[in-house]
Amino acid sequence: SQKIEQNSEALNIQEGKTATLTCNYTNYSPAYLQWYRQDPGRGPVFLLLIRENEKEKRKERLKVTFDTTLKQSLFHITASQPADSATYLCALDRHSTLTFGKGTMLLVSP
Amino acid sequence: DAGVTQSPTHLIKTRGQQVTLRCSPKSGHDTVSWYQQALGQGPQFIFQYYEEEERQRGNFPDRFSGHQFPNYSSELNVNALLLGDSALYLCASSPDPTISSYEQYFGPGTRLTVT
Repeated sequence: SQKIEQNSEALNIQEGKTATLTCNYTNYSPAYLQWYRQDPGRGPVFLLLIRENEKEKRKERLKVTFDTTLKQSLFHITASQPADSATYLCALDRHSTLTFGKGTMLLVSP
Repeated sequence: DAGVTQSPTHLIKTRGQQVTLRCSPKSGHDTVSWYQQALGQGPQFIFQYYEEEERQRGNFPDRFSGHQFPNYSSELNVNALLLGDSALYLCASSPDPTISSYEQYFGPGTRLTVT
């Protein structure tokens, strides 16, 4: 079955720096890969979707890359702010169902 | 525009009991998926309903069952509750999955505690 690995340790960075989160997967490459943000006790919120034939996608301060050869996606937040502190989930999309990683907790300090 | 709503917010049950959780999808969405999220884990796919039928199912036992109504709302039923069923149960809605892949809109979840 598909296995997804995200940074297990929390990522601590200073405000204004760029945060980079990693998502690695095994087995098949999904047609789509999605990133979500989750705050404590709340449901995930969609951030970005990238297709297998896209190398990079941007939305405001967010950037996602997708390398099907390396079986890896990188998620970047530029000019990070304390409000960006949350858990970020990577999800592989196959037939419109999502397989999630455990998520990486990001802590942005002022 | 109402987003995805779930009820109840919290629930405490005893081992062996049965529970029903409810979900109303975002307006305009006809597909509902259910996920289980244990503490410190990512959400795990339980099943998906489209046109009132279970379209896909994850690796969950038959104790987990569901239903979708003509108005696209959905229920998740869990029988013979185990301690390990304690988790946050998330409902997500999206448009017709047979057309393309879309982001999923999640509800706030139902926190189920089994004692």
